[in-house]
Amino acid sequence: DQQVKQNSPSLSVQEGRISILNCDYTNSMFDYFLWYKKYPAEGPTFLISISSIKDKNEDGRFTVFLNKSAKHLSLHIVPSQPGDSAVYFCAATVDQTGANNLFFGTGTRLTVIP
Amino acid sequence: DAGVIQSPRHEVTEMGQEVTLRCKPISGHDYLFWYRQTMMRGLELLIYFNNNVPIDDSGMPEDRFSAKMPNASFSTLKIQPSEPRDSAVYFCASSRGEGTYSPLHFGNGTRLTVT
Repeated sequence: DQQVKQNSPSLSVQEGRISILNCDYTNSMFDYFLWYKKYPAEGPTFLISISSIKDKNEDGRFTVFLNKSAKHLSLHIVPSQPGDSAVYFCAATVDQTGANNLFFGTGTRLTVIP
Repeated sequence: DAGVIQSPRHEVTEMGQEVTLRCKPISGHDYLFWYRQTMMRGLELLIYFNNNVPIDDSGMPEDRFSAKMPNASFSTLKIQPSEPRDSAVYFCASSRGEGTYSPLHFGNGTRLTVT
């Protein structure tokens, strides 16, 4: 059963506007969350992460928000650029176990329209 | 650094044949992961190794799948016999395991098609 869910398979946004990608998880033991970005014919690349002790982490145009009570996180991209068009995967892990393995969602394909 | 290197990039084979996928992790990384990507289930963890030792293989679909890591710089994922439902993109990833969480670094994947 999917422990990390991305319910929107695709999203289209105009260049310059905000892109919001959403992710839900079911395992309350998850304590570290990541977003990966994937271009066609390439492997996923790490984008941004957040620990469960925080509710927000920002890196340039990218901000991740975590709502632990709702078991929900989101990725905001502002402003969106055509080069941001890719598939975005949400991932989670139980960092305190040191196991290091990630559980991924099914991905959201973002298209930024010039 | 060259990153995680996977081979081949594409593999087309007939049902019943043996398939071997290869991976060279980033030097110094002590964790290695095999993932499978499908449209329905996204990225699924198949197996991962720590210091060349398999830690969790509960994601391996069935006995037809096996993985080895004979040394710190090489791993294989073998499917024998292959079936059409094994068609997917297979990713290898590696990471450092010590200290604060170290994100996984992925290879470019092997696209497997079983006809």
